[in-house]
Amino acid sequence: QKQLVQSGPEVKKSGTSVKVSCKASGFTLASSAVQWVRQARGQRLESIGWIVVGTGNTHYAQKFQERVTITRDMSTSTAYMELSSLRSDDTAIYYCAETVGATNRPLDNWGQGTLITVSS
Amino acid sequence: SYVLTQPPSVSVAPGKTATITCGGNNIGDKSVHWFQQRPGQAPVLVIFYDRDRPSGIPERFSGSNSGITATLTISRVEAGDEADYYCQVWDTGSDHPVFGGGTKLTVL
Repeated sequence: QKQLVQSGPEVKKSGTSVKVSCKASGFTLASSAVQWVRQARGQRLESIGWIVVGTGNTHYAQKFQERVTITRDMSTSTAYMELSSLRSDDTAIYYCAETVGATNRPLDNWGQGTLITVSS
Repeated sequence: SYVLTQPPSVSVAPGKTATITCGGNNIGDKSVHWFQQRPGQAPVLVIFYDRDRPSGIPERFSGSNSGITATLTISRVEAGDEADYYCQVWDTGSDHPVFGGGTKLTVL
């Protein structure tokens, strides 16, 4: 069964960093593009950035450009999203979502989400 | 960046038809995808490329897109359809997906 399994919830202090993992189960990410999207409580889904797993090419949303790094480990079919200089308004559920082929294809496979709570 | 506008809420009685709109500048020129998100769960793709359904999504779900409005239609609404629905397009300007604000579907 094809699914994405994300790392567990974390509580972080303001100013620190968090790294969320997204591991493919039942398939490999080699031909995939992985999007990272977050959702604060009651808010719309918001794109953070994406990675083309085969090439390692990344693109970050302007809002996060200075603070986010998306990487992948092809040997374990895992993608990572690291967000630094955390603030209270970074408290949200972070999702990875995958599509085969081009980055702009429909996101038909989502991880279960990872709750990141940032406290001062 | 590109902005998508959805009504915050739509209510419908069981067995009736729910219509959820998504407005955007010349959205008819873009491909629209729709996601269903139940409380505490990840989004699930229900319509892609304006009107196509992934396998496993009931035929009751359909989509259209023209001009400045894309529409998700759910026929013969069931209690289990109660969820938040999000439209999404690819913003070629920013090279990122853009999501609407979401519509909460309430089944009366």
